[in-house]
Amino acid sequence: EAGVTQFPSHSVIEKGQTVTLRCDPISGHDNLYWYRRVMGKEIKFLLHFVKESKQDESGMPNNRFLAERTGGTYSTLKVQPAELEDSGVYFCASSKRDLLGTDTQYFGPGTRLTVL
Amino acid sequence: KNQVEQSPQSLIILEGKNCTLQCNYTVSPFSNLRWYKQDTGRGPVSLTIMTFSENTKSNGRYTATLDADTKQSSLHITASQLSDSASYICVVSAGNYGQNFVFGPGTRLSVLP
Repeated sequence: EAGVTQFPSHSVIEKGQTVTLRCDPISGHDNLYWYRRVMGKEIKFLLHFVKESKQDESGMPNNRFLAERTGGTYSTLKVQPAELEDSGVYFCASSKRDLLGTDTQYFGPGTRLTVL
Repeated sequence: KNQVEQSPQSLIILEGKNCTLQCNYTVSPFSNLRWYKQDTGRGPVSLTIMTFSENTKSNGRYTATLDADTKQSSLHITASQLSDSASYICVVSAGNYGQNFVFGPGTRLSVLP
């Protein structure tokens, strides 16, 4: 069984440009999460999808970030326009639907975003 | 403010030795606590998940403990191996459905031969 995959692995863009990150969860996993780690800081939660619906987007930093999950499969995270402080590693994780909230999350390898 | 602290920040031990990593949290309402192992350049990998009623949980050479009264957790690694070199991250889930995840800064463990 394939794990969570993320594309691209690295992205270097200039301030003001747009970048779209993609996450393919494990097949059959309803839950999909986006996280990010900025330089020297701990990982922060961004948002949570259950199938195609946004369950919780309280961690999204501002309206320059837009996440979508088409048909409840893969997800994209678009940053437009990118700012210097958006640099960091963006992780995606997925899990099976677990009403108790104790589901094991499987993380992807992350996308390292550098904004110059 | 929901917060997770970990100690030590980094740790160096010799192969075969045991070690214990600490996690303190101020998260409310508490739902569950997770320990992850993160190798350099990779995503975190789940080691244990504990709910309020669980005091200890093992996964091979990894044993996690939870004291919900003092809001402390520990991760004990037995008979360390070189492959245990990684960052170990404590994550506390808050909220009624445990979907508000608060990450600690991690402890960087280096196991030397």
